[in-house]
Amino acid sequence: QSALTQPASVSGSPGQSITISCSGTSRDVGGYNYVSWYQQHPGKAPKLMIYDVSNRPSGVSNRFSGSKSGNTASLTISGLQAEDEADYYCSSYTSSNTYVFGTGTKVTVL
Amino acid sequence: EVQLVESGGGLVKPGGSLRLSCAASEFTFSTYTMNWARQAPGKGLEWVSSITGSSSYIYYADSVKGRFTISRDNAKNSLYLQMNSLRAEDTAVYYCVKVDHLAMTRWGQGTLVTVSP
Repeated sequence: QSALTQPASVSGSPGQSITISCSGTSRDVGGYNYVSWYQQHPGKAPKLMIYDVSNRPSGVSNRFSGSKSGNTASLTISGLQAEDEADYYCSSYTSSNTYVFGTGTKVTVL
Repeated sequence: EVQLVESGGGLVKPGGSLRLSCAASEFTFSTYTMNWARQAPGKGLEWVSSITGSSSYIYYADSVKGRFTISRDNAKNSLYLQMNSLRAEDTAVYYCVKVDHLAMTRWGQGTLVTVSP
């Protein structure tokens, strides 16, 4: 199972919006609405930010939103803040009853 | 609050074995699928294995199939990962993860496994 494809890095200024893409196949991202997104600060465990493509867990800021079109999912962070600087990973459930993660994106707040 | 505490990591020689444990608390452990995921130093996340609440269904990543065994003891609220025939490329932080609606909703702090001569 190959990793989902994400850009290596995305940057933006405080207050701006950025979007991270996550490309897969019909066997994962395109086949199921079970795409999730995780935020990971250095030295910390990942934290769930979005599940089922576009749902936010309780306590996650509404500045984070998710969407999907075909085999590509996206995470948008609006009103970028310094605390959003972290690594972000997408993940999808697959047709093999397994999970696959994305390659990861480093978000830098300029 | 949900707590997941991994233990059992350490330094092991190539070809050796190690058993990781995860102690779960503050949720009804037996009703949730649990995952193991890992992250090699400076690298991305990799899903390793899943086990359903009743242990009826178990799945592995191709990279560990035949070498790793996931199990759970619902009476002890514990998840395990038996790792055999370890290789240098298995060096990683291993995370215990609670799954809900096919999303990995809560992660432990991780335990480091280093495979080196």
